[in-house]
Amino acid sequence: EDKVVQSPLSLVVHEGDTVTLNCSYEVTNFRSLLWYKQEKKAPTFLFMLTSSGIEKKSGRLSSILDKKELFSILNITATQTGDSAVYLCAVPAIRDDKIIFGKGTRLHILP
Amino acid sequence: ETGVTQTPRHLVMGMTNKKSLKCEQHLGHNAMYWYKQSAKKPLELMFVYSLEERVENNSVPSRFSPECPNSSHLFLHLHTLQPEDSALYLCASTNSREAGELFFGEGSRLTVL
Repeated sequence: EDKVVQSPLSLVVHEGDTVTLNCSYEVTNFRSLLWYKQEKKAPTFLFMLTSSGIEKKSGRLSSILDKKELFSILNITATQTGDSAVYLCAVPAIRDDKIIFGKGTRLHILP
Repeated sequence: ETGVTQTPRHLVMGMTNKKSLKCEQHLGHNAMYWYKQSAKKPLELMFVYSLEERVENNSVPSRFSPECPNSSHLFLHLHTLQPEDSALYLCASTNSREAGELFFGEGSRLTVL
């Protein structure tokens, strides 16, 4: 069965800390892995990863994919209170035309 | 503003009511989705429409009835719901079903009394 597992489920750190969020997956015919940030309502797109070992960066956020070990990490450096959100990992399952989401990691940044 | 608009943002209904959720996308996408988000659960796919045809019905109870009159609009008709149907209902659209990059609306928070 296709699945996406995120860890940790929740994380509380202080402003300025660096955090690493994990996403492992088991999906037939893997094409891509996506990270979303969900603050209040609509998840917003962060990264799409398709190739192993190539880091994607956007400001203080970066992400990398390991297709051999079937996981991805999302790093956030010098965290700010505005980074508090739920971070979702998703993988399209081409066979069933579904996009499978993990449960998310709820990140809370303390001032 | 993601280009995907959902209304209403909040809805409270009784178990015998009939209501509808509306989603409109202004991005020219060709596929639209309904997802259900309950507390402490992953996003659950409910329906997928591609080029206005339903391509996925993920074992959703018949009390939820989708409608896609054109590529820009998607409805979710609700009738005789149960309290456990209370959740955030998210609409999303994409032009890239295989890659999976979805653009989400703000969601409709549904409470069934």
